[in-house]
Amino acid sequence: AQKVTQAQTEISVVEKEDVTLDCVYETRDTTYYLFWYKQPPSGELVFLIRRNSFDEQNEISGRYSWNFQKSTSSFNFTITASQVVDSAVYFCALDSGGGADGLTFGKGTHLIIQP
Amino acid sequence: GAGVSQSPSNKVTEKGKDVELRCDPISGHTALYWYRQSLGQGLEFLIYFQGNSAPDKSGLPSDRFSAERTGGSVSTLTIQRTQQEDSAVYLCASSLRRPSEAFFGQGTRLTVV
Repeated sequence: AQKVTQAQTEISVVEKEDVTLDCVYETRDTTYYLFWYKQPPSGELVFLIRRNSFDEQNEISGRYSWNFQKSTSSFNFTITASQVVDSAVYFCALDSGGGADGLTFGKGTHLIIQP
Repeated sequence: GAGVSQSPSNKVTEKGKDVELRCDPISGHTALYWYRQSLGQGLEFLIYFQGNSAPDKSGLPSDRFSAERTGGSVSTLTIQRTQQEDSAVYLCASSLRRPSEAFFGQGTRLTVV
């Protein structure tokens, strides 16, 4: 079975601070895919990024960056110069691409950006 | 359609009644997922459909839950003899194929009174 752990239940920072959301995963598969989703107060989940297990290059998209390290089974997400609009629940997820588990989500990290 | 559509958006039902939740995936998406999200909680995986293939039902929380997908498109999640612990937001998602990114609907908020 696959598992995703987001140990940080809630993080609160002041606007413009950098913040990192942790994600640790478990899987027996050698091929797998990692995701981050954002759930703003409106409730609808928004896709942010997908990485496959063969690509450990870090990725940057504007103020967002992702650090994938297979050695520690982690896929951490950093927001630089946070803004109030970044306030949301962020979910990390794992998919092996097959099997009945589907897309397995962590319990989410509630990020609060204070003005 | 532009996105994943779920209906109804809200449903209040009496304990013991049956309910049907509907999901219209994005056209052409072969993979369809159902999740349950209780208040302030993460996403609990319920079931996954790939095209017309029979799904693995082991993720469904009890035998009161069932799901089907007709013609590889629209899906219905049925909860029989609803209980108060079934109250949650039920989310549907679809993707072009596994493991492409999944697109989520707005969800159905089910309240059992």
